[in-house]
Amino acid sequence: GAGVSQSPSNKVTEKGKDVELRCDPISGHTALYWYRQRLGQGLEFLIYFQGNSAPDKSGLPSDRFSAERTGESVSTLTIQRTQQEDSAVYLCASSPTSGGINEQYFGPGTRLTVT
Amino acid sequence: AQSVTQLDSQVPVFEEAPVELRCNYSSSVSVYLFWYVQYPNQGLQLLLKYLSGSTLVKGINGFEAEFNKSQTSFHLRKPSVHISDTAEYFCAVRGFGNEKLTFGTGTRLTIIP
Repeated sequence: GAGVSQSPSNKVTEKGKDVELRCDPISGHTALYWYRQRLGQGLEFLIYFQGNSAPDKSGLPSDRFSAERTGESVSTLTIQRTQQEDSAVYLCASSPTSGGINEQYFGPGTRLTVT
Repeated sequence: AQSVTQLDSQVPVFEEAPVELRCNYSSSVSVYLFWYVQYPNQGLQLLLKYLSGSTLVKGINGFEAEFNKSQTSFHLRKPSVHISDTAEYFCAVRGFGNEKLTFGTGTRLTIIP
């Protein structure tokens, strides 16, 4: 079946512009996660959605970052007034439900370059 | 909170030789442990996971890892590597009751023909 998909695969933007990154989770997966992977670093947790519960936004690095999810489907991560330090690969993952025993399935990522 | 340390950023290994990629973690609660692999230009793929039970866990592509609670380690091993194992390997932990995966900085495995 189809895996997690993300779009665009690559995005180059000028400093100060807003960007939107999209994630389509695996159908039926109620949990959705966003991570950021900076060059030479591990993945950093950004935000987590589980069903209709309030999202866990504890990993968002600043108020320029926000994310939404429509029901149990598509999610968008928005970065306002982008800065060069926002350059990274943004990864989305989904899981059948929450809980440690459930595997997170990752998408291919969106590579964001801020010039 | 949890943290993960992968001390080796790069590991070159000759083809058909054994390899061990090291992972140490710290946590104030019990954890689940994972190894993910990222092949060039691809997304992360789960190699194996430790949830409970036997401390030796076998995964895909001939990899295995051993959970050592006293040393807070979860090293990844393969007895004989292949060119196709060239990739970046990430160790990750998830605390009980915590939804977030905490990742190490990754180890780039390069196989030398």
